[in-house]
Amino acid sequence: GAGVSQSPSNKVTEKGKDVELRCDPISGHTALYWYRQSLGQGLEFLIYFQGNSAPDKSGLPSDRFSAERTGGSVSTLTIQRTQQEDSAVYLCASSLAAGGLNEQYFGPGTRLTVT
Amino acid sequence: AQSVTQLDSQVPVFEEAPVELRCNYSSSVSVYLFWYVQYPNQGLQLLLKYLSGSTLVKGINGFEAEFNKSQTSFHLRKPSVHISDTAEYFCAVRQGGKLIFGQGTELSVKP
Repeated sequence: GAGVSQSPSNKVTEKGKDVELRCDPISGHTALYWYRQSLGQGLEFLIYFQGNSAPDKSGLPSDRFSAERTGGSVSTLTIQRTQQEDSAVYLCASSLAAGGLNEQYFGPGTRLTVT
Repeated sequence: AQSVTQLDSQVPVFEEAPVELRCNYSSSVSVYLFWYVQYPNQGLQLLLKYLSGSTLVKGINGFEAEFNKSQTSFHLRKPSVHISDTAEYFCAVRQGGKLIFGQGTELSVKP
């Protein structure tokens, strides 16, 4: 079956511009996660959504970062006024539910380059 | 808060040799541990996980890991590696719904 998909696969943007990254989770998965992978920081948790509960935003590095999940399915991660340190691969994952025994399935990522 | 330490950033090894990738986690009452693999230019793929029960966990591609509570370790092993095992390997611990990852170990298998 279809896995987690992300778009675009690559994004180059100028410093100061806003960007939107999209994630389509596996159908039926109620939990959706965003992580960031960068050379200096490794793999960092950003935010996760579980059903209709308030998202856990504890990993968002600044108020320039936000995410929403519409209709319990597709999610968009928005970075406003991008900075060079935002350059990274942004990974999305989904699972049947958050926590417990549920495996997180990862998408291929979006590589963001801020020039 | 949980944390994970992968002791080796790079591990070079010859084909058909055994390998161990080390992972230590911060202590907790109960812990869920994972190993993920990332092949070049691909996303993360689950190799194996420890949730409870037997401390020796077998995963895909011939990998296994042993949960050691007293040592707070979850080292990954494979008795004989292949060129195709060249990848980056991440150890992770679950904290609530999210995963906390180690810094990763780059395994390089040479002919």
